[in-house]
Amino acid sequence: AQKVTQAQTEISVVEKEDVTLDCVYETRDTTYYLFWYKQPPSGELVFLIRRNSFDEQNEISGRYSWNFQKSTSSFNFTITASQVVDSAVYFCALSVPFSGTYKYIFGTGTRLKVLA
Amino acid sequence: DTGVSQNPRHKITKRGQNVTFRCDPISEHNRLYWYRQTLGQGPEFLTYFQNEAQLEKSRLLSDRFSAERPKGSFSTLEIQRTEQGDSAMYLCASSIRTGEETQYFGPGTRLLVL
Repeated sequence: AQKVTQAQTEISVVEKEDVTLDCVYETRDTTYYLFWYKQPPSGELVFLIRRNSFDEQNEISGRYSWNFQKSTSSFNFTITASQVVDSAVYFCALSVPFSGTYKYIFGTGTRLKVLA
Repeated sequence: DTGVSQNPRHKITKRGQNVTFRCDPISEHNRLYWYRQTLGQGPEFLTYFQNEAQLEKSRLLSDRFSAERPKGSFSTLEIQRTEQGDSAMYLCASSIRTGEETQYFGPGTRLLVL
């Protein structure tokens, strides 16, 4: 069975601190994708990053960076120098082959509060 | 590219009433997905369309739920005889078949059943 675990329910940091959001996944599929989405209070899920199972290179995009480690089945997300606008719920998702498309399995989310 | 849109954004209804939600995907996307998200949880898959064909339905989708995508463009999700347990955010997403399978989400419809 596939599963995504985000053990951190809520994290509070002070602006300009660095913060890492953890994601651990389970799947027996050899081909899969991992995603991070941001959900602000408005409700829309905003796509942040996609990695495929064959690409373990870490990625940096501005203040965001992602660390993918297949050996530990983890795909962690770090925000450097956090800002108040980063406050949101962040979801990690696993995407696996399913009936001609890919099925998303989401974690329960981590609520990030960045305090001014 | 105007993104995925959903209407209405909010719906309050009384138990037993029928409700219908609409989703307009990104114009060139041929795949459309419906999800349900309850408080404190991640979205859960409900159903998926490729063009006008409904290819998969979750066990979460009881017989009171029906979804259509008649011309392979917009989609509707209807809930008949609503129950308080149906209160949730209903999210729509779309993707294009390129092998990437990144799904782009709409703003959701928040349903409250009284």
